[in-house]
Amino acid sequence: RKEVEQDPGPFNVPEGATVAFNCTYSNSASQSFFWYRQDCRKEPKLLMSVYSSGNEDGRFTAQLNRASQYISLLIRDSKLSDSATYLCVVNWAGFKTIFGAGTRLFVKA
Amino acid sequence: DAGVTQSPTHLIKTRGQHVTLRCSPISGHKSVSWYQQVLGQGPQFIFQYYEKEERGRGNFPDRFSARQFPNYSSELNVNALLLGDSALYLCASTSGSVDTEAFFGQGTRLTVV
Repeated sequence: RKEVEQDPGPFNVPEGATVAFNCTYSNSASQSFFWYRQDCRKEPKLLMSVYSSGNEDGRFTAQLNRASQYISLLIRDSKLSDSATYLCVVNWAGFKTIFGAGTRLFVKA
Repeated sequence: DAGVTQSPTHLIKTRGQHVTLRCSPISGHKSVSWYQQVLGQGPQFIFQYYEKEERGRGNFPDRFSARQFPNYSSELNVNALLLGDSALYLCASTSGSVDTEAFFGQGTRLTVV
């Protein structure tokens, strides 16, 4: 079993749609959680951190369920500019950062 | 302020050769991590260094090594290159705390022929 698993994708959605990405992790000692965004042939950039209480940043909502070892990202009112690969990231032991394989999102007009 | 800088940006090497990739973290950041990203996959963790000490190592062969210098810059070395080492090599810097954002450089695209 992979340490971090994501929906395989790709997701193809029209502008304005709501899309949800899911991620599971295997190490219950995981300490911090993030969603990164990676555009084609670019470096990953932090989209948002994920907290147990859930957090929202504009159209983006992230949730963490430690009991189920599950992380989610919800994007509302999708824009063309949201087209990218979304990477689920889990950090434990203070140094080991594990990325999921990423889920590609295509938003079309 | 300069972000994370990596050099070179592109590199072509022959099987069996050795390569050294370089990374300068954001000023004030003491931790540098290295990742390998193969096309279509997420970044794979190779090493993390903090205050010049290795703090973590991923599942990579001993052909991969790294070090961090007193100014917190870092080098990744790969010996006896294989075709399968062709990838984007990313460097990320953080302040060192477990829950802080990692800032990535633009990467070095290595092609082994």
